[in-house]
Amino acid sequence: EVQLVESGGGLVQPGGSLRLSCAASGFTFSSYDMHWVRQATGKGLEWVSAIGTAGDPYYPGSVKGRFTISRENAKNSLYLQMNSLRAGDTAVYYCARVNYGDYGGAFDIWGQGTMVTVSS
Amino acid sequence: EIVLTQSPATLSLSPGERATLSCRASQSVSSYLAWYQQKPGQAPRLLIYDASNRATGIPARFSGSGSGTDFTLTISSLEPEDFAVYYCQQRSNWLALTFGGGTKVEIK
Repeated sequence: EVQLVESGGGLVQPGGSLRLSCAASGFTFSSYDMHWVRQATGKGLEWVSAIGTAGDPYYPGSVKGRFTISRENAKNSLYLQMNSLRAGDTAVYYCARVNYGDYGGAFDIWGQGTMVTVSS
Repeated sequence: EIVLTQSPATLSLSPGERATLSCRASQSVSSYLAWYQQKPGQAPRLLIYDASNRATGIPARFSGSGSGTDFTLTISSLEPEDFAVYYCQQRSNWLALTFGGGTKVEIK
């Protein structure tokens, strides 16, 4: 079964750090671009970061310089290192697979999400 | 950044009715637009990619149309399981992916 499972969420104080993980299974992880997308409670979806198969990272301005995406293909794992966290970073964080071959670059597989709460 | 505006914010309909959801882009995204369905407590689910192609396993009652800046998701006859929030997403600007604000389809 093709699956993504996130972990690492929790409660952190403003200015703190957290590292999220996403374990992939059921597909050749190294062949796919991977992304993080977040969703604040009751709000819409927001793209957080992306990493290509070659390890090239991409970020929106809202997290650039604070978040670092990485991957470890040998462990079928995706990571998101989040530093200098703010209250506005509070959200459910999803990892998602991009499928160019079958779905034109849409997100075809999503994890169940992990909750990050930034509060004192 | 390409802004996607979805309308209406909420659509109140009865089972069996037709739902028409709109997504408008602030600049052309060609056909690089996808639609997702999200139910409470669940991750989004891909419905439509490249504006008009149904993902595997998606019922034929879901259809997408449009190109450039104006897109539509149509649900021809609402089933009870279709009441959810729907999001559009563009990948025209690969370095700045964006989602629309969502349309909630609720039971009237």
